[in-house]
Amino acid sequence: GDSVTQMEGPVTLSEEAFLTINCTYTATGYPSPFWYVQYPGEGLQLLLKATKADDKGSNKGFEATYRKETTSFHLEKGSVQVSDSAVYFCALSVLQGAQKLVFGQGTRLTINP
Amino acid sequence: EADIYQTPRYLVIGTGKKITLECSQTMGHDKMYWYQQDPGMELHLIHYSYGVNSTEKGDLSSESTVSRIRTEHFPLTLESARPSHTSQYLCASSDRVGGYTFGSGTRLTVV
Repeated sequence: GDSVTQMEGPVTLSEEAFLTINCTYTATGYPSPFWYVQYPGEGLQLLLKATKADDKGSNKGFEATYRKETTSFHLEKGSVQVSDSAVYFCALSVLQGAQKLVFGQGTRLTINP
Repeated sequence: EADIYQTPRYLVIGTGKKITLECSQTMGHDKMYWYQQDPGMELHLIHYSYGVNSTEKGDLSSESTVSRIRTEHFPLTLESARPSHTSQYLCASSDRVGGYTFGSGTRLTVV
């Protein structure tokens, strides 16, 4: 079946550090990857997405490139801020048969000033 | 503004009570979903619907039930709440090209 594996957390960084959260997947059909962010006490917000191979999604300084050859969609940010502290979920939507969003296990990120 | 609404945001209820978690969306999406999020953060699909009068069980077995009588409304019901049902429940909907929108969630505590 379809599955998403994401870098385990928790991750703690200092402000202005470089961030990478790895995400790889296995999927049948035509997958589309997403990154969602969940701030404390809230639901999920779409951070960025890609729709085809080699697409780069970007938002709020975060970037991720959909690499079909390595089945990866790693999240990066050059300089993190305290306000980036949240839980980040990599997810995959497969538009074949039962369209569902499959999530990775989530990575809790804490940024210290 | 198009959005998806969940009520209540927080609910504390006694064991054995019947509860319904509400979810409504204003985007006209055909597909809607319920996810259960455990304290370890993982999200598990428990129900989904492709349209009116269509409901399916998700990947994680759940004692809850759902109904889809109107496109915009996808309520989740627990006939008899138990402490093991304590969790956060997230509702979502998606458009035809796979764009998903999530509600703010209902945090349920059963005592």
